[in-house]
Amino acid sequence: GQNIDQPTEMTATEGAIVQINCTYQTSGFNGLFWYQQHAGEAPTFLSYNVLDGLEEKGRFSSFLSRSKGYSYLLLKELQMKDSASYLCAVRVGSGNTPLVFGKGTRLSVIA
Amino acid sequence: GAVVSQHPSWVICKSGTSVKIECRSLDFQATTMFWYRQFPKQSLMLMATSNEGSKATYEQGVEKDKFLINHASLTLSTLTVTSAHPEDSSFYICSARDGPDEQYFGPGTRLTVT
Repeated sequence: GQNIDQPTEMTATEGAIVQINCTYQTSGFNGLFWYQQHAGEAPTFLSYNVLDGLEEKGRFSSFLSRSKGYSYLLLKELQMKDSASYLCAVRVGSGNTPLVFGKGTRLSVIA
Repeated sequence: GAVVSQHPSWVICKSGTSVKIECRSLDFQATTMFWYRQFPKQSLMLMATSNEGSKATYEQGVEKDKFLINHASLTLSTLTVTSAHPEDSSFYICSARDGPDEQYFGPGTRLTVT
């Protein structure tokens, strides 16, 4: 089976930095995705890693280590609007294979 | 980025009736679309992979006769929940790929069965 683990909940202060970790054990690997999902809305794409290393995009960065089956999403200069669920997802095959999602991490940003 | 739409955005139906949800890729062609279901405070669970011109591939535990999928064209897939029951109440989300990397999600359809 596929197993993707994330912390269930996290709380951080406005203006701070938070790191959301994701570990995975899957039958294959063809890329790791991070999505943001506000309550009652569909997920929105944040980042994609297929090679080891750090991908930076504005206030958001994502890191991948394939040998460790590990990724993290780093959010800088937190804003109240960043309060949402963050979903880690793995594409386990090539072609048009679907994403397998972790349970998501609910982040609460407090003043 | 690419746009995926869903219709309706929310629907309330009576137990025993059927509901059809449409998923469209607006500015790209999608030979494959995916249907997910999400219960409150839980993550997305893949229901099925919808393939244009062929039968959908269902995940284990998803009843293909209850959740009918039709991928009629390169821009449209439909999910019909037949003989809906209250336990089918959920958030249904479709997605499609535009290129090798990103997977775009529709805005979701909230189904409430009374």
